[in-house]
Amino acid sequence: DGGITQSPKYLFRKEGQNVTLSCEQNLNHDAMYWYRQDPGQGLRLIYYSQIVNDFQKGDIAEGYSVSREKKESFPLTVTSAQKNPTAFYLCASTPGHLFGGYTFGSGTRLTVV
Amino acid sequence: SQKIEQNSEALNIQEGKTATLTCNYTNYSPAYLQWYRQDPGRGPVFLLLIRENEKEKRKERLKVTFDTTLKQSLFHITASQPADSATYLCALPPSGGSYIPTFGRGTSLIVHP
Repeated sequence: DGGITQSPKYLFRKEGQNVTLSCEQNLNHDAMYWYRQDPGQGLRLIYYSQIVNDFQKGDIAEGYSVSREKKESFPLTVTSAQKNPTAFYLCASTPGHLFGGYTFGSGTRLTVV
Repeated sequence: SQKIEQNSEALNIQEGKTATLTCNYTNYSPAYLQWYRQDPGRGPVFLLLIRENEKEKRKERLKVTFDTTLKQSLFHITASQPADSATYLCALPPSGGSYIPTFGRGTSLIVHP
């Protein structure tokens, strides 16, 4: 079945450490997104990519970086510059055409220890 | 920029009753509106899309209405069940040349047995 796979499901980061969250889709979708969700809060956009080798900053890109070297992969790196990284991270994709719904992964919960 | 308002207070109802959730939006006329369901610790799941020229859409026990004059969508779950308990988000497509959708914060629905 097609879908989005995020890994790991849980991730623990030490202070000053960079960590990378994986997002892989086999839906042949062009557009991919990374969101951060804090308890009781809505989705906040970190980065998005419409095509391979191109990505744009969202509303809260500081302290994060991404790459889009392959259509199916859109990894997110949480750098040490992100001062409050503890959150639930969601990856999403869409075909990019009108009326296309968004498919989300099951999320990665990142905790700073 | 477009904004979505969903009731931040949880909706508590008894099993078997109809749940009605509201999504109000501002600033532009979208071609469609989407509804998603999110369970705790999981990513949102697409439920329904309603187009601007559709007044109402149904899927099993779900019904969505779309009033472009009022800039409002209503999401109904008839014969509600405890398994319907979740957070429900509405979403607008990108506008004005943007590739970024707008998601509401969601309304939590709690169905009591």
